Amino acid sequence: DADVTQTPRNRITKTGKRIMLECSQTKGHDRMYWYRQDPGLGLRLIYYSFDVKDINKGEISDGYSVSRQAQAKFSLSLESAIPNQTALYFCATSDGEGTAPYEQYFGPGTRLTVT
Amino acid sequence: GENVEQHPSTLSVQEGDSAVIKCTYSDSASNYFPWYKQELGKRPQLIIDIRSNVGEKKDQRIAVTLNKTAKHFSLHITETQPEDSAVYFCAARGRFSGSARQLTFGSGTQLTVLP
Repeated sequence: DADVTQTPRNRITKTGKRIMLECSQTKGHDRMYWYRQDPGLGLRLIYYSFDVKDINKGEISDGYSVSRQAQAKFSLSLESAIPNQTALYFCATSDGEGTAPYEQYFGPGTRLTVT
Repeated sequence: GENVEQHPSTLSVQEGDSAVIKCTYSDSASNYFPWYKQELGKRPQLIIDIRSNVGEKKDQRIAVTLNKTAKHFSLHITETQPEDSAVYFCAARGRFSGSARQLTFGSGTQLTVLP
């Protein structure tokens, strides 16, 4: 679904570096999410935002921060990357209202490796 | 918060047979239960969902059933085809923090359809 895009798609970085993952959407949705996917653990929520002024911690927010620059943009930052943050990261959006308020649309993912 | 358990973690079936994946959840207030399909290297995509006021929903070869009393829901795929091979995730929209609700995902089932 080209409506949700993520950059970069792949990133290798070193321990201690700061890194930002970016998400953009053209679906016009107010709600945006960042998830982390690890093998055998499913998808776990890192942060979510219901609008530009609303940011909330998810299940595993430690070591991460986010910025909602606009309705269409939601960035995830690792202030000081560590190897156990190596994972596949997904951004998602949802409408929050209408006929399918809870359905989440995922971006293509960013594969992050911390060495 | 919500806890979702998914079984089995791997499932192999012969082409044409049926496949069933089961999930249990802990929060009796959960009100929305989606199923996502993730093909190798791709993003999760919604294949079917059900709300808490419905017991069963069907879309061609896939169906979902919900038992609120027992707090479990299942995905049924009939007449399986090789293109059904993927990882399937269940999720439940339950109470997360205070009055907020978010999706909690199961750990995934790797379905392999053997030709």
